[in-house]
Amino acid sequence: NAGVTQTPKFRVLKTGQSMTLLCAQDMNHEYMYWYRQDPGMGLRLIHYSVGEGTTAKGEVPDGYNVSRLKKQNFLLGLESAAPSQTSVYFCASRLDRSSYEQYFGPGTRLTVT
Amino acid sequence: GQQVMQIPQYQHVQEGEDFTTYCNSSTTLSNIQWYKQRPGGHPVFLIQLVKSGEVKKQKRLTFQFGEAKKNSSLHITATQTTDVGTYFCAGRSSGSARQLTFGSGTQLTVLP
Repeated sequence: NAGVTQTPKFRVLKTGQSMTLLCAQDMNHEYMYWYRQDPGMGLRLIHYSVGEGTTAKGEVPDGYNVSRLKKQNFLLGLESAAPSQTSVYFCASRLDRSSYEQYFGPGTRLTVT
Repeated sequence: GQQVMQIPQYQHVQEGEDFTTYCNSSTTLSNIQWYKQRPGGHPVFLIQLVKSGEVKKQKRLTFQFGEAKKNSSLHITATQTTDVGTYFCAGRSSGSARQLTFGSGTQLTVLP
């Protein structure tokens, strides 16, 4: 079991460029989440999904889009990157509504110049 | 929206000293979780508290959930260098079973 994996690990973008972050889990979890982590601000929820084909907005969704076409994958897209999106992005998954533990991936460090 | 405040932001202790971090929510929580993140790592689940006034222990770590279910604490007895990292609380409100709201974390440094 690889658990939760994220690609890429690091990325540098110029303002206005686009990119997609991929999260994959092999635990057959229903729920998946995208967070961003900034110094002194903890983890803030961007978008989440409670099952294949469903997505919902979190606390800070502006500037991001997501898709969950397959149960094991959750994609985070930045259509036009801005310096304010420089952050560490973590994906997490959770088995289902009756479970509570979230399993986090290793993170993607994104810098937008 | 729901806010979860955590103090202190930083804590430096000498190895062997005790450490406590506190978490306060602006709303009543259905449960609260605690995570640990080692430097350069990702958050790892430690525990969940559900009941009012609940106290749970994991070796040297003691977790408490307040009577009003709006605050929580994590206490580490006799810290070790392996305790270094950032400790986050994360609360789930009854109206938002799908999401956690994380505190800003307490970064613990243990001096040998």
